[in-house]
Amino acid sequence: GAVVSQHPSWVICKSGTSVKIECRSLDFQATTMFWYRQFPKQSLMLMATSNEGSKATYEQGVEKDKFLINHASLTLSTLTVTSAHPEDSSFYICSARDGVAGVNEQFFGPGTRLTVL
Amino acid sequence: DAKTTQPPSMDCAEGRAANLPCNHSTISGNEYVYWYRQIHSQGPQYIIHGLKNNETNEMASLIITEDRKSSTLILPHATLRDTAVYYCIVRPTSNTGKLIFGQGTTLQVKP
Repeated sequence: GAVVSQHPSWVICKSGTSVKIECRSLDFQATTMFWYRQFPKQSLMLMATSNEGSKATYEQGVEKDKFLINHASLTLSTLTVTSAHPEDSSFYICSARDGVAGVNEQFFGPGTRLTVL
Repeated sequence: DAKTTQPPSMDCAEGRAANLPCNHSTISGNEYVYWYRQIHSQGPQYIIHGLKNNETNEMASLIITEDRKSSTLILPHATLRDTAVYYCIVRPTSNTGKLIFGQGTTLQVKP
């Protein structure tokens, strides 16, 4: 199946700093990428949908100025958590859909664990 | 998007078939049933999906009732590595459909 990678796999940062997480589709072109957040013992919560070359669409309750998403190419999307605080500590997971080849399945990255001290 | 209902947890003996049920009574005609699983601290893994007919692949079988209001994911010979949270999701066939995760079923495969 298609491979999606994330970098870094984990990050620890101080409160008030910004953290960038990368999501790459390795063997296909992803016209659409999704960002999810997962707190311990909870399900995945969709944060936003991004389409290559256009602005991301955020789910209700997700602050677009805090979670900056850039999808500048068909293989790369980035999520920047700005001015991170301890409550932003979570497991961030991206997924990508291969819309170019007409494949409708969504493939997920391995996740990035963010800990804000 | 249609909601799904799954039991919160299930146990299965290693080597036996694991049958995971899912109710989606409000599913629309243009919505597929997708199954994903998430092993602890990893990203979700695609298992299988279907619209009306039963489906089978190397991982599992998906049985969808004739009225499409429920489905069952079958892992024919469960192993310890199948211990995970299994999510049943319905999603429109259009390319704009999002995967919205519910609480899923935690399957514990026991030796």
